[in-house]
Amino acid sequence: AQSVTQPDIHITVSEGASLELRCNYSYGATPYLFWYVQSPGQGLQLLLKYFSGDTLVQGIKGFEAEFKRSQSSFNLRKPSVHWSDAAEYFCAVGRGSTLGRLYFGRGTQLTVWP
Amino acid sequence: GAVVSQHPSRVICKSGTSVKIECRSLDFQATTMFWYRQFPKQSLMLMATSNEGSKATYEQGVEKDKFLINHASLTLSTLTVTSAHPEDSSFYICSGGGTVNTEAFFGQGTRLTVV
Repeated sequence: AQSVTQPDIHITVSEGASLELRCNYSYGATPYLFWYVQSPGQGLQLLLKYFSGDTLVQGIKGFEAEFKRSQSSFNLRKPSVHWSDAAEYFCAVGRGSTLGRLYFGRGTQLTVWP
Repeated sequence: GAVVSQHPSRVICKSGTSVKIECRSLDFQATTMFWYRQFPKQSLMLMATSNEGSKATYEQGVEKDKFLINHASLTLSTLTVTSAHPEDSSFYICSGGGTVNTEAFFGQGTRLTVV
């Protein structure tokens, strides 16, 4: 069965520090992978996606993620965190051939200290 | 990206009543929309796939008679929570798009509180 694991429930970093949010997936085929960000009481905003090709993908707001098939991972990174990055981050895997049916991880809450 | 609008953003209803949530694709046609539910501090769980002009497909464990989905046009899907109870209180999010080659676009979500 497909699943998405985000092992870190809550991460705290200082502003300006680097960030890495972990995501591991379990999926039988080549996955479609996504990272979404959710601010309090808001919907989801797509940060980046991986469908195929270059395994290092660039997203919005200075985020990037690297797909590592051997590790079944799709970790999100940012070299220098801003206070406005504080939010909930969700990793997701596309289910089947359509990209709207998604398995989500449980999310990682990011707190940024000034 | 494309825009999906969800209405209302917040709703409070009395136990036993029904409440309708609308999900509209504003600048594209969505033959398929998706409804998710998010419990506090938890992830989003797919409830159902809404198909324009046909019946919705519900995920295992989701009561289709409680969560009625209608997708009557290419830009509107509605979720009706019937005979709502306090345990139905949650954050409901819809998405549109999500075809073979494009990602889905999410609405802002609806916070439902049943009192």
